[in-house]
Amino acid sequence: DVKVTQSSRYLVKRTGEKVFLECVQDMDHENMFWYRQDPGLGLRLIYFSYDVKMKEKGDIPEGYSVSREKKERFSLILESASTNQTSMYLCASSLQVTVYGYTFGSGTRLTVV
Amino acid sequence: GIQVEQSPPDLILQEGANSTLRCNFSDSVNNLQWFHQNPWGQLINLFYIPSGTKQNGRLSATTVATERYSLLYISSSQTTDSGVYFCAGGRRGANNLFFGTGTRLTVIP
Repeated sequence: DVKVTQSSRYLVKRTGEKVFLECVQDMDHENMFWYRQDPGLGLRLIYFSYDVKMKEKGDIPEGYSVSREKKERFSLILESASTNQTSMYLCASSLQVTVYGYTFGSGTRLTVV
Repeated sequence: GIQVEQSPPDLILQEGANSTLRCNFSDSVNNLQWFHQNPWGQLINLFYIPSGTKQNGRLSATTVATERYSLLYISSSQTTDSGVYFCAGGRRGANNLFFGTGTRLTVIP
């Protein structure tokens, strides 16, 4: 089974801090994704990457950046955390959506105070 | 993007009851999938079902691609079925999925 590991389950950061959320997958998946989940809004795509050093903006990229230096690792960066970025962050990976679907990590619940 | 509407938003069932969850898409989608998010937040892929019908134990799903909707059936519900059910789909050739806002299911003993 594919395993997608997110480095932190819970995180509390202060407004203005730079925050790194890490995601590692242990299969040879090309695609990796970062979503945030908020009550009543479902999952919204922040960024995704289909190859090393490649990235594409999702629906809500403002205030975020990403890094994919190695195939297995996809990092989400909050350049200057704000309280409206308090949310559940979910990482996912897939080999090909059309064939193998998505596998999600267990999520990071980030609170910005 | 593609709008994904799920109904009902909330559902409370007595253990042993059956239910049907629905998902409508604003545009044609490929890669339609159903997920279950357990109370601890983990999302598990239930079905990859771009068209037709699939069954897995007490769960089954049907997608009518030409009419842009999908149904998830849960039979003989158990308390462990509780959680949030999401459907998601994407455009042909794209690698990202659009998610609905989910159906929160609570199964009471």
